[in-house]
Amino acid sequence: DAMVIQNPRYQVTQFGKPVTLSCSQTLNHNVMYWYQQKSSQAPKLLFHYYDKDFNNEADTPDNFQSRRPNTSFCFLDIRSPGLGDAAMYLCATSRDNRGGRQYFGPGTRLTVL
Amino acid sequence: SQQGEEDPQALSIQEGENATMNCSYKTSINNLQWYRQNSGRGLVHLILIRSNEREKHSGRLRVTLDTSKKSSSLLITASRAADTASYFCATDPFNNAGNMLTFGGGTRLMVKP
Repeated sequence: DAMVIQNPRYQVTQFGKPVTLSCSQTLNHNVMYWYQQKSSQAPKLLFHYYDKDFNNEADTPDNFQSRRPNTSFCFLDIRSPGLGDAAMYLCATSRDNRGGRQYFGPGTRLTVL
Repeated sequence: SQQGEEDPQALSIQEGENATMNCSYKTSINNLQWYRQNSGRGLVHLILIRSNEREKHSGRLRVTLDTSKKSSSLLITASRAADTASYFCATDPFNNAGNMLTFGGGTRLMVKP
């Protein structure tokens, strides 16, 4: 089945130790998103790619970076995780940038020790 | 800032009862979407209603949209224990320059068997 896959599902890292979360999609969608979701809160958009064009939200910390080497894959790099970065990270895709439905992966739960 | 605000924040009902969740938003929209999130999982798209639509059905789901009041409601009829989840509304703002949905804070629904 076409889907959005996130690996790993659970990631534990140490304070300050860089970590990379990965997302892949078989939907061949043009747009890929990364959201941060803390407990009992709404997902918060960090950035998105429309094809190769990177769009950073104004309030996304510099500590967060992203790469999209091809249509299928997108990575979230956290350069120096702090305790406040512990959260669920959700990857999503959409066919285009016309405000339609988004398809979410299962998420990666990040724990920072 | 969040575009959508949901009400109630939490709802507990018995199996078989109907559940109604409300979403209010601030600016004009192209469409409004409802998503479900099971605990520790990604979001699943339920239904999309466009600004020129007033009501939409999908199985046991009924969504209404009142653009004059900038509000929407999601009704789940004959609820089941499996409907236990968080429900989020998301808006695609008018003049959206990039397919960025804005999510509300969510309603946590518990359906007791």
